[in-house]
Order: sequence, then structure tokens, then C-alpha cells
Amino acid sequence: NAGVTQTPKFRVLKTGQSMTLLCAQDMNHEYMYWYRQDPGMGLRLIHYSVGEGTTAKGEVPDGYNVSRLKKQNFLLGLESAAPSQTSVYFCASSYTAERLVFGAGTRLSVL
Amino acid sequence: QQQVKQSPQSLIVQKGGISIINCAYENTAFDYFPWYQQFPGKGPALLIAIRPDVSEKKEGRFTISFNKSAKQFSLHIMDSQPGDSATYFCAASPANFGNEKLTFGTGTRLTIIP
Repeated sequence: NAGVTQTPKFRVLKTGQSMTLLCAQDMNHEYMYWYRQDPGMGLRLIHYSVGEGTTAKGEVPDGYNVSRLKKQNFLLGLESAAPSQTSVYFCASSYTAERLVFGAGTRLSVL
Repeated sequence: QQQVKQSPQSLIVQKGGISIINCAYENTAFDYFPWYQQFPGKGPALLIAIRPDVSEKKEGRFTISFNKSAKQFSLHIMDSQPGDSATYFCAASPANFGNEKLTFGTGTRLTIIP
């Protein structure tokens, strides 16, 4: 089983550019999440989805958009990247309200 | 406002020793307390979790101790091994909510030296 797969693994953007991060899970999980991880700040929730076609804002949603058109995929978009969005992004999914299964992360640098 | 405070930020322990990481919380509505382990270049993975109806939970060399009155919980790693070197995150979420309300601590980088 692949679990949670994130693409790309690394990306460098210039300020103002846009990009989409893709997350795919093969565990038939209803819930999916996007987190960002910054040094000294732990993991912070950006957006999440409780099922196909649904999305909701997390703790730090500004500057990001998401879509969940298919149950297995959760996309995170940056419309106009800013240096403050330099971070490691993790996608996660869960079957219940407990155990999160994380992907390996996407390291994004915005210059 | 940081709802889950984790300490220390980094920890170095000799092989065979006991590693102890502490977390404190403020929200008395929290009732689920997981610990996640993250190796370099990987995503976090659930290590062990506890609910406040018990004061301790043990899984192999890993133990969570929970003190409801002090609003503190800690992770103990017995007989620490170099393979335990990783970053550890505590977290907490309130009753009747899912992971959308899970609040993470800032992480502890643990290094086990031979």
C-alpha cells in the first residue's frame, strides 16, 4: 500500500507564481488534511475535508485554496506565492477522528 | 496563543537511558492526547495516544504518563536506542471533535548517542 502520496517532493517558486500540491491516498479515508510545518511552530492546519466535495478552513488558511473533487485526492493551491509560504507541507488522511496518516511532505521555497 | 506547550526543544540522551519529553495544556476540554514521531525527511507517524480516563499507557518501551489535575502529560522512552533519534510531537484535541481541532506542540528533537 502506498498510503498517502504527495507530489512534488520539492519545489522552488518565485514570489507571485502559482502552484498546486497534489495529495493522493489509497486507504479510502473520508478525512483529509493539509498542514504546514515550520521550525519551532509544530504542525498547523491549513485546510481540511471531511468528505468528497467538502472543504473547510483550518488555523492558517489565508493565501491557500483547496479542492476535493475525488475522495482519494486533496489539492492545495497557492494562487500568488509569498516568501512567508516557504515551508514543508504535509498532507494527511484519517479514517476515524483519531489516527492521522501523513505523507512524506513537500518542501517549498518561495524566493 | 499556544495551547500545548512542549519541552525541551532538543534532548540528547545516552544509549540505554530514559528519554523524557513533557507537554502542558491549558484547555480543560482536551480529552485525546497523541504523540507523533517524525524521522528526517518523513512525515509524522502516530506513536502512542492516551485518553484522560487512565493515568498511564505503555506500549513496549514507550509510556505516556498523564496528570489531569496538573494538565500535563509526558512521553517516556525506556532503554533509548539510536533508532529512536527523531522529532517527537505531542498533541491534544477536545472531546467530540476530530483532527480538525488537533493542536500540536512545537516538537522535541531527540538524539540518542552511543
